[in-house]
Amino acid sequence: DAMVIQNPRYQVTQFGKPVTLSCSQTLNHNVMYWYQQKSSQAPKLLFHYYDKDFNNEADTPDNFQSRRPNTSFCFLDIRSPGLGDAAMYLCATSRDLAGGVEQFFGPGTRLTVL
Amino acid sequence: QKEVEQNSGPLSVPEGAIASLNCTYSDRGSQSFFWYRQYSGKSPELIMFIYSNGDKEDGRFTAQLNKASQYVSLLIRDSQPSDSATYLCAVFGIQGAQKLVFGQGTRLTINP
Repeated sequence: DAMVIQNPRYQVTQFGKPVTLSCSQTLNHNVMYWYQQKSSQAPKLLFHYYDKDFNNEADTPDNFQSRRPNTSFCFLDIRSPGLGDAAMYLCATSRDLAGGVEQFFGPGTRLTVL
Repeated sequence: QKEVEQNSGPLSVPEGAIASLNCTYSDRGSQSFFWYRQYSGKSPELIMFIYSNGDKEDGRFTAQLNKASQYVSLLIRDSQPSDSATYLCAVFGIQGAQKLVFGQGTRLTINP
């Protein structure tokens, strides 16, 4: 089945220790997104790639970086995690950026910062 | 004013009744509107989307859009305990931005 896969599902890191979250897709979609969702809050878009074009949201901290080495994979790097970065990180994909196009979400990675 | 607003709930509805979930948005020029369901600890899954004024029905779900009032709603008929979840409203195209903006969600509980 075509799908969006995230690894790991649960990640524990120490304050200030870099961490990388992974997302892969078999949908062959052009767009890949990273969202941060804290408890009882709305998913917040961090950035997205349209093919190789990177679009960073204005309020995304510099501590968050992303890489998309090919169509299938996208990575979220948190260079120096703080306690406030503990959250669910959601990867999503869509065929295009048009208004009526569905975004498909992966299962998420729950990040804990000790 | 938040770009997308939802009542956080919790909204409690008896099994078999109609659950009504509401969402307002800030920009009249917004293009399309999505309802996602999110179970606790899981990722959002799309229920349906709507982009024209009026009603759109899919099984037990009906989305209603009123662009003049900047209001979108989701009705769930014959509510089941398995419908208990958080429902996220998402709006595409606020201020021309090519992205979804999510509301914080309404927590719905269906009581057997």
